[in-house]
Amino acid sequence: GEDVEQSLFLSVREGDSSVINCTYTDSSSTYLYWYKQEPGAGLQLLTYIFSNMDMKQDQRLTVLLNKKDKHLSLRIADTQTGDSAIYFCAERWLSGGYNKLIFGAGTRLAVHP
Amino acid sequence: GAVVSQHPSRVICKSGTSVKIECRSLDFQATTMFWYRQFPKQSLMLMATSNEGSKATYEQGVEKDKFLINHASLTLSTLTVTSAHPEDSSFYICSASVSWDFNQPQHFGDGTRLSIL
Repeated sequence: GEDVEQSLFLSVREGDSSVINCTYTDSSSTYLYWYKQEPGAGLQLLTYIFSNMDMKQDQRLTVLLNKKDKHLSLRIADTQTGDSAIYFCAERWLSGGYNKLIFGAGTRLAVHP
Repeated sequence: GAVVSQHPSRVICKSGTSVKIECRSLDFQATTMFWYRQFPKQSLMLMATSNEGSKATYEQGVEKDKFLINHASLTLSTLTVTSAHPEDSSFYICSASVSWDFNQPQHFGDGTRLSIL
């Protein structure tokens, strides 16, 4: 079945690194995504990784993919207060000829001084 | 690039009213758009996939007659919540993918907060 799991809450100190973890179930997923949602707003695409990649880095963001364990992580280096938000992991699921995203419950990241 | 505009951002109306929400892709063509619903402190639940020029594909448990979707052009999809009731109050978010390329990620609008009194 379709299921994406994330821890619900993470608190870090400003300047430290944040690591948000996610597990998914569909081994045939070709793309996995990280989205950021600030209060009252829509979702902002942060980054995504293709399933044949192990790692992708984009400035302060590093995505690691362990396909064997179906585990995805997002590392934010030098975390800032502006990074406080909810982070959603999502896997792309092909159903009935259409692609759709299956989201995790979201991890609320709180950055404190 | 890949900007999705959603309008209105907030609606407050009386029970029984029908409410239309628009989703536009501003700088790209979107053959496929998606409508999601998000309850407080919860994840996004896909309601339906909107396809330009054809009927929408609804997820299991979503009432087609309650949530009418129209995708009349490559840049516009609308969701109409018919005869809305307080239980329909929620945050509705749309997203769009670039044309037929399923390898492109979905880009999201800023959402519409619907409050039914």
